[in-house]
Amino acid sequence: GAGVSQSPSNKVTEKGKDVELRCDPISGHTALYWYRQRLGQGLEFLIYFQGNSAPDKSGLPSDRFSAERTGESVSTLTIQRTQQEDSAVYLCASSRDILSYNEQFFGPGTRLTVL
Amino acid sequence: AQRVTQPEKLLSVFKGAPVELKCNYSYSGSPELFWYVQYSRQRLQLLLRHISRESIKGFTADLNKGETSFHLKKPFAQEEDSAMYYCAPSGLTGGGNKLTFGTGTQLKVEL
Repeated sequence: GAGVSQSPSNKVTEKGKDVELRCDPISGHTALYWYRQRLGQGLEFLIYFQGNSAPDKSGLPSDRFSAERTGESVSTLTIQRTQQEDSAVYLCASSRDILSYNEQFFGPGTRLTVL
Repeated sequence: AQRVTQPEKLLSVFKGAPVELKCNYSYSGSPELFWYVQYSRQRLQLLLRHISRESIKGFTADLNKGETSFHLKKPFAQEEDSAMYYCAPSGLTGGGNKLTFGTGTQLKVEL
């Protein structure tokens, strides 16, 4: 079956522009997560969804970042007025539910470069 | 603060040698513990989780609650084990299944 997919795979943008990153989770997975990995750093949690709700937005680095999920399926992460420090690989993952022992299945990531 | 420490950025061993990738964590509550792996040009994937008490590809991980460690071990390294390994407790920051990743250890198995 299809795994988690993300688009675009690469995005180059100019500072100050808005970008949208898309994640298609595994069908039937109710939990969806966004992480990012900046160069030379570990993965950091951004936000998660249980269904279409985001109970914890504490990882979003600033109010320029927002995310939504619809139909308990596709999620988009939007970054407004991008800055150079937003350059990173953005990873999406999904799991069957939010129970702590469940495996998360990762997408291939979107590499964002802000010039 | 919740924290995961993987002290070695790079670990280089010879084929057939034992491997130990270290992981220490600080936490509040009782996290579930995972090791994720990323092979070259592949996506991040689960290697093993503590709750399953399983050995995957010859790897095992022992939880030491006293030391808050979850080191990954394999008695005889193989070339195909070369990859980036991440220790990742979940649920550390309260609620949900959020993974808190260490900075990772790049394992290189040399012939």
